[in-house]
Amino acid sequence: DAGVIQSPRHEVTEMGQEVTLRCKPISGHDYLFWYRQTMMRGLELLIYFNNNVPIDDSGMPEDRFSAKMPNASFSTLKIQPSEPRDSAVYFCASSLHTPGGTEAFFGQGTRLTVV
Amino acid sequence: QKEVEQNSGPLSVPEGAIASLNCTYSDRGSQSFFWYRQYSGKSPELIMFIYSNGDKEDGRFTAQLNKASQYVSLLIRDSQPSDSATYLCAVRLSGNTPLVFGKGTRLSVIA
Repeated sequence: DAGVIQSPRHEVTEMGQEVTLRCKPISGHDYLFWYRQTMMRGLELLIYFNNNVPIDDSGMPEDRFSAKMPNASFSTLKIQPSEPRDSAVYFCASSLHTPGGTEAFFGQGTRLTVV
Repeated sequence: QKEVEQNSGPLSVPEGAIASLNCTYSDRGSQSFFWYRQYSGKSPELIMFIYSNGDKEDGRFTAQLNKASQYVSLLIRDSQPSDSATYLCAVRLSGNTPLVFGKGTRLSVIA
């Protein structure tokens, strides 16, 4: 498997524009997570899905953020409208549920810059 | 609120020395503990996990867990310059919950 695939790798956009980040999890994984990483706040969980269903979106900072997972192989994170404080690296990760839990495998991330 | 605390560093050690990275967590019910390594500009990658009290060794890496003290550590023996990275501690409350990450400790191994 190619691992978790994210696109784009880099995104530069102007304040107020809509931004869509994409993620393809590892085949067979039933959990998908969206994280945001900044120097100040570290790696923060935004939202996660189990079997394509959103389980906890309490980490989504504002209504400007939304995430969808229309099928087991694809998820999007959308920011509309974007603001400079949204600049960060956004990681998608997936994992396979077992009773003991397993580690999350991360994509390469999308570095978002909002100017 | 579940919290995972790490010293941000940088922690500087000479090549060949033992690097000791520490992490404390707030939720006493936490069950699984992970150490991720993140090189600059890259994504986190798992290097160790531990579920039970005590030590777990894998090559040059040893994870130590003390649930009574809510403390988990990572020892890196014979540190190499290639070990220079940020090390993230992550904690899971139960098998169905997502990982909660610390902010990471930056390690610098000086040749």
